[in-house]
Amino acid sequence: KAGVTQTPRYLIKTRGQQVTLSCSPISGHRSVSWYQQTPGQGLQFLFEYFSETQRNKGNFPGRFSGRQFSNSRSEMNVSTLELGDSALYLCASSLSGPDGYTFGSGTRLTVV
Amino acid sequence: EDQVTQSPEALRLQEGESSSLNCSYTVSGLRGLFWYRQDPGKGPEFLFTLYSAGEEKEKERLKATLTKKESFLHITAPKPEDSATYLCAVQAGDSGYSTLTFGKGTMLLVSP
Repeated sequence: KAGVTQTPRYLIKTRGQQVTLSCSPISGHRSVSWYQQTPGQGLQFLFEYFSETQRNKGNFPGRFSGRQFSNSRSEMNVSTLELGDSALYLCASSLSGPDGYTFGSGTRLTVV
Repeated sequence: EDQVTQSPEALRLQEGESSSLNCSYTVSGLRGLFWYRQDPGKGPEFLFTLYSAGEEKEKERLKATLTKKESFLHITAPKPEDSATYLCAVQAGDSGYSTLTFGKGTMLLVSP
């Protein structure tokens, strides 16, 4: 079966710009979660969407936002990019929660 | 606040040399403890979920165990293809059903 697809794989942006990342979950999975991975902090939870509703949110500033569409595809947006936003952004999908997460390969964002 | 600490940060083994990775945790109401494997440039790949102290799970050369304070990932007679970063994560009762708190991982290198 097809896995979790994240696009784009790599992205370079300038400070102050905004960026939108996309995640297509496994067919039938209604839960999509986003994590930020950096060498210093490891993986940190951003937010989770289930059936188009944000079910939980991590401790990130309001510049980080997301949404989920009726077909379960999800997008996350980061506005006013800062150098510290450089990271690997990972999306995970599952039927209903962390048990059974399947991660995508991530989007590598570099802010210059 | 939920905390997960993994040790060692890095481990180098010779092929066939068995060892263990440690994951100690502090959470309020453990719902589940997860082990993942992450290869460079890829997202984490699910290995095991453990739910209660005393539980053990095995898969090929890997065996995961759980106590009330820590989990171990035992690697028996490792091969070079076991080289990866191993991540531990917990799902706690009061941090939101849909979130995982990750440790920073143990980078394992198995030399032939």
